[in-house]
Amino acid sequence: QVQLQESGPGLLKPSETLSLTCTVSGGTVSFYYWAWLRQSPGKKLEWIGYIYYSGSTDYSPSLRSRVTMSVDTAKNQLSLRLRSVTAADTAVYYCARGLDYNYYYLDVWGKGTTVIVSS
Amino acid sequence: EIVLTQSPATLSLSPGERATLSCRASQSVSTYLAWYQHKPGQAPRLLIYDVSIRATGVPPRFSGSGSGTDFTLTISSLEPEDFAVYFCQHRSNWPPWTFGQGTKVDIK
Repeated sequence: QVQLQESGPGLLKPSETLSLTCTVSGGTVSFYYWAWLRQSPGKKLEWIGYIYYSGSTDYSPSLRSRVTMSVDTAKNQLSLRLRSVTAADTAVYYCARGLDYNYYYLDVWGKGTTVIVSS
Repeated sequence: EIVLTQSPATLSLSPGERATLSCRASQSVSTYLAWYQHKPGQAPRLLIYDVSIRATGVPPRFSGSGSGTDFTLTISSLEPEDFAVYFCQHRSNWPPWTFGQGTKVDIK
């Protein structure tokens, strides 16, 4: 059974860079699309972007200028970097796997990791 | 950006009752709509995609219907484990794909 586990610092200061890792266990990152999403308090879930195991990416326009996603097939991990964070980036961050060729639907999710941006 | 609006915000029902959840899109998403279940402290779970296709392992009491802008998730007879938040998601056009705000199904 494939499981995803997000990890990273829970607290950041404004202007810092958020770095998160998603570790995939019970399966492989290869041959799948992977997504990062987030949900800020009181708001809807929001796509940050997605990455194919080969490394090709597409990001949401609202975050494109600050986001970088990568995949490490040897470590079976995904990474998310979000630069110049502000309080508006406070959220629960999720990684998730695309459903085969229907990669826009997400069939395996992590439980999420809370990130707070505060001075 | 397509906006998905779910109703009601909260649905209070008893086990065994039928639950009907709505998701309305601000413009047509054709049949490109999914439903997820999310319980506190757990990972979200894909239930339904492309309006009516159940994901692997999802019991048949869950069904989806609709097209265009109006969609429904029906739980035919609520089991104790079904009390959760349900949210919809479209994939009609990127960027971005968007989600509804969720409907909480709680125990009456």
